[in-house]
Amino acid sequence: DTTVKQNPRYKLARVGKPVNLICSQTMNHDTMYWYQKKPNQAPKLLLFYYDKILNREADTFEKFQSSRPNNSFCSLYIGSAGLEYSAMYLCASSGGAGAEQFFGPGTRLTVL
Amino acid sequence: GQQVQQSPASLVLQEGENAELQCNFSSTATQLQWFYQSPGGSLVSLLSNPSGTKHTGRLTSTTVTKERRSSLHISSSQTTDSGTYLCAPPTGGYKVVFGSGTRLLVSP
Repeated sequence: DTTVKQNPRYKLARVGKPVNLICSQTMNHDTMYWYQKKPNQAPKLLLFYYDKILNREADTFEKFQSSRPNNSFCSLYIGSAGLEYSAMYLCASSGGAGAEQFFGPGTRLTVL
Repeated sequence: GQQVQQSPASLVLQEGENAELQCNFSSTATQLQWFYQSPGGSLVSLLSNPSGTKHTGRLTSTTVTKERRSSLHISSSQTTDSGTYLCAPPTGGYKVVFGSGTRLLVSP
């Protein structure tokens, strides 16, 4: 089973409110990723976990938080949503450096 | 860092025609994935092909590692193939870098 699951599939949030997105995988992958995808743009890596170590991209460092309570689950947290956060959020997992990445179906976040 | 260029940027075909998509990258890659992005935005992994030729269904990918290029051939295109095709070589460590994609439109 190479399934990565994401919940919810669609999320509506108000400006200034928090948002929490969930991802899970059952492949026992050591690495999990979060990407942001906006129309007509390539997916943008926000952060990734290697095991329990969180790596956040420099330009999104303060905007997104994440937790990984166990190997299977990873969350993406936005403390105060802004209009610019409206996007598709994609979770992926892989079995290590340079390994194939498997993507979930995404969560479409709309901030109003 | 790794630079990726995909061509053509867009492609319009009649159903049944074949498509040839190209991906060029600047640094040696030990892995290369081709993805399909649906109009809704979800990403689906099509092929993982670090070198040589791989087939799956109507898709054939050929990667020439020393020339730092890969191609994706879609035979007998269908309207459901419409979407954006992305290639993604690794950029070192745990990350990949995505090309800007080829937008494919297949009309009936």
